[in-house]
Amino acid sequence: GEDVEQSLFLSVREGDSSVINCTYTDSSSTYLYWYKQEPGAGLQLLTYIFSNMDMKQDQRLTVLLNKKDKHLSLRIADTQTGDSAIYFCAESMEGNNRLAFGKGNQVVVIP
Amino acid sequence: KAGVTQTPRYLIKTRGQQVTLSCSPISGHRSVSWYQQTPGQGLQFLFEYFSETQRNKGNFPGRFSGRQFSNSRSEMNVSTLELGDSALYLCASSLGGLNTEAFFGQGTRLTVV
Repeated sequence: GEDVEQSLFLSVREGDSSVINCTYTDSSSTYLYWYKQEPGAGLQLLTYIFSNMDMKQDQRLTVLLNKKDKHLSLRIADTQTGDSAIYFCAESMEGNNRLAFGKGNQVVVIP
Repeated sequence: KAGVTQTPRYLIKTRGQQVTLSCSPISGHRSVSWYQQTPGQGLQFLFEYFSETQRNKGNFPGRFSGRQFSNSRSEMNVSTLELGDSALYLCASSLGGLNTEAFFGQGTRLTVV
């Protein structure tokens, strides 16, 4: 079954890089996603990666996927105060729109 | 292009009542999924509708139901409300092909007292 785990809290200084980690257990995951949730808001899709990729870069965001260890990470370069939010990783299976989410990782950016 | 619209944004109901939440997907999107978000359980999948049919269902009791209309708008209903149903209910819209990007609404915050 799907089981996605994330660490809970990260504090980072403005301008530094932040790295958020996620592990998943279902090796048949096809797509892995990163979502951002700001207070009182819904989920914003940041980026996603196919399971046959190792890395994806999108502006300040870098996603690394280690399929052997079932480990996914999101690196945010030059972290800004607007990056303060909860970040969720999620996975979906081939042929299935259902997303399984991790518990989320709260990132606090210190000016 | 308008985003996903959920109404109402906030709702307070009493135990035992029933509630209906609404979600209007992005124009052209045919798939609507519903999720429940609570501090304890995190984000959990409720169900997905595509072309007015339930395509996928999570592990929630039968008190939770939904439907989708021909214009792709979806409603979710919870009957006989319990205190534990207090949560943020999020709707996600996607084109409808499997594994396409899902765009979320702002959610409906339901409080059961």
